[in-house]
Amino acid sequence: KQEVTQIPAALSVPEGENLVLNCSFTDSAIYNLQWFRQDPGKGLTSLLLIQSSQREQTSGRLNASLDKSSGRSTLYIAASQPGDSATYLCAVRAAGGTSYGKLTFGQGTILTVHP
Amino acid sequence: DGGITQSPKYLFRKEGQNVTLSCEQNLNHDAMYWYRQDPGQGLRLIYYSQIVNDFQKGDIAEGYSVSREKKESFPLTVTSAQKNPTAFYLCASSIDGGLSYNEQFFGPGTRLTVL
Repeated sequence: KQEVTQIPAALSVPEGENLVLNCSFTDSAIYNLQWFRQDPGKGLTSLLLIQSSQREQTSGRLNASLDKSSGRSTLYIAASQPGDSATYLCAVRAAGGTSYGKLTFGQGTILTVHP
Repeated sequence: DGGITQSPKYLFRKEGQNVTLSCEQNLNHDAMYWYRQDPGQGLRLIYYSQIVNDFQKGDIAEGYSVSREKKESFPLTVTSAQKNPTAFYLCASSIDGGLSYNEQFFGPGTRLTVL
């Protein structure tokens, strides 16, 4: 059974810092990995999607990497801003079998960027 | 303006009542999903539908029911058999549940509270 873990559970940093959020998964048979942002009481916004054949994806100040063989992904946020404060979730998509296409989520990292 | 809508935003249920949460999308997506989110936990899959008139149980389907009579709509009924229904419910859709590169797009969520 796929399990996804995110470390740290919470992170508080001053504005301007570069930071790294970690995501690990137990079953490397995945099709892709997706990073989401969730603001309090809101739905999820997709940030980046990395296919299993890719090593990284970039969007603005965000860079996500994927090491499928070791079951790890990182989300790098450059020059953090107070507006980046949110919960960040990673999710992996199963590659086959009865779990085909299913997303398994981590518990999330709560990020606070203070001015 | 394309997207996923969920209603109501807040819902209160008395013990023993069935309630139905609405999810509508105008993205012309084939696949739709229902997730439950509890504090400090990742999203857990309740039901999903890859095509009209077809749906499958997710990891925590007990006490829930769904229908998929139209491509645009995937309502979720929380029955009295669900013993702990207080949670945040999120609906999502993707172009095709079977394609590996699909991103899932999420609605704004419904917060259900049992009185």
